[in-house]
Amino acid sequence: SQTIHQWPATLVQPVGSPLSLECTVEGTSNPNLYWYRQAAGRGLQLLFYSIGIDQISSEVPQNLSASRPQDRQFILSSKKLLLSDSGFYLCAWSVLGGTINQPQHFGDGTRLSIL
Amino acid sequence: GQQLNQSPQSMFIQEGEDVSMNCTSSSIFNTWLWYKQEPGEGPVLLIALYKAGELTSNGRLTAQFGITRKDSFLNISASIPSDVGIYFCAGSSNTGKLIFGQGTTLQVKP
Repeated sequence: SQTIHQWPATLVQPVGSPLSLECTVEGTSNPNLYWYRQAAGRGLQLLFYSIGIDQISSEVPQNLSASRPQDRQFILSSKKLLLSDSGFYLCAWSVLGGTINQPQHFGDGTRLSIL
Repeated sequence: GQQLNQSPQSMFIQEGEDVSMNCTSSSIFNTWLWYKQEPGEGPVLLIALYKAGELTSNGRLTAQFGITRKDSFLNISASIPSDVGIYFCAGSSNTGKLIFGQGTTLQVKP
């Protein structure tokens, strides 16, 4: 069966510091991968999605970037964190199917607090 | 752009009661999904709907894909305390991207 792992589970970082959140998927090949941010436990905002290695689409202009160096690895990064980057970050995967509207399966998230 | 309106925003009910929540969109969707999120965890897929009019059950949960393709509802029968959480609808159209509702927070009083 497929599993998705995110780490770390929680992270406290000072303003201006760099960020690297990692997500890996097991049990499937060529998945679509996604990064979401969830503010205040409410709606999910799609930040990035990827349909293949080194193929990244950005949904909103922001202080973050994403990379996919391997088929089942998705990394969310920042060179300098802002206070507004605080939130709950979720990685998700779905079956590659031409479009990205297949059901998405989520990791357990990373709670990021910026001080 | 596409928008999803999910209601109600929150519900506080007595154990044993039935629950109903719904989502409406400003445009036609091809897929409707319902997720549940518990505190500190990622959303978990409950039900996926792919055809207009489709009615699908998962235990005490039932969801329907509206015939207009612009709405979907989720019902929970005989609620129990472990039903507590935030329920999200999500839909996608020909653009292929999933759009999420803002969530319905459910609290169940034993």
